[in-house]
Amino acid sequence: AQSVTQLGSHVSVSEGALVLLRCNYSSSVPPYLFWYVQYPNQGLQLLLKYTSAATLVKGINGFEAEFKKSETSFHLTKPSAHMSDAAEYFCAVIGNTGKLIFGQGTTLQVKP
Amino acid sequence: GAGVSQSPSNKVTEKGKDVELRCDPISGHTALYWYRQRLGQGLEFLIYFQGNSAPDKSGLPSDRFSAERTGESVSTLTIQRTQQEDSAVYLCASSPLGVETQYFGPGTRLLVL
Repeated sequence: AQSVTQLGSHVSVSEGALVLLRCNYSSSVPPYLFWYVQYPNQGLQLLLKYTSAATLVKGINGFEAEFKKSETSFHLTKPSAHMSDAAEYFCAVIGNTGKLIFGQGTTLQVKP
Repeated sequence: GAGVSQSPSNKVTEKGKDVELRCDPISGHTALYWYRQRLGQGLEFLIYFQGNSAPDKSGLPSDRFSAERTGESVSTLTIQRTQQEDSAVYLCASSPLGVETQYFGPGTRLLVL
C-alpha cells in the first residue's frame, strides 16, 4: 500500500530565504508523486508531478522537487520565498484506482 | 476552458438533515474523485468514478454517504442524517482517462450544527 509522510506541519521562513518542505513516501511499486498547493479558501492547485521521467522536476512559481529513490523522498524546494507563497502544501502519491493519497499537509508561513 | 465547479460553495445544515453536494467536472474527463478535508486534517479519499460506474467506494465513511454520476458528467454526493463530524470541505477532482493529474474544484464547505 502507498502512503506519504510530510515532516513538519508548520514551516516558517523569511522572505527571500530557501523553502524546503519534506515528503517521504512508501510504495510497493514505482510511485507517481505530486505536490499540490492550497491557498486560503481555495481548492488545490498542482505545483508539480513526478512520473518516472527526470528525477528533478520543475513546477510552477519557481518550485522544484527531486525524486530520490534511495531515500524514498520527494522534497519540495524554492530558492527564494515570496510572501505570496504562504499557503498549505500537500504531497501525494497515486494509489490503486488512481486515487490520490495525501500527506497531512505543511503550512508555509513567510515572514517579511 | 472551464475548470471543475462545485455547488454550493457553502452549506450550513442542522444535524439529522440530508444534504446534496454537486460537482461538474471538466468536459471530457472520464475520471471523477471525491475527497474530504476536515479541519486540521489531511485530505481523505471518498469515492472514484470511471464514467458512471464507481469501481472504488472504499473511502465512504458510512452508509449515510452515497454518490452517483450521470454518464461522464455531473456527480452528486449525498450525506443522509448529517452528523457534526461530517463538517468538512468536500473537494471534487476530475481527470482525463489514463492521465494522472487531477484537477480540483474549489470545494463545498459543509457545517453541521
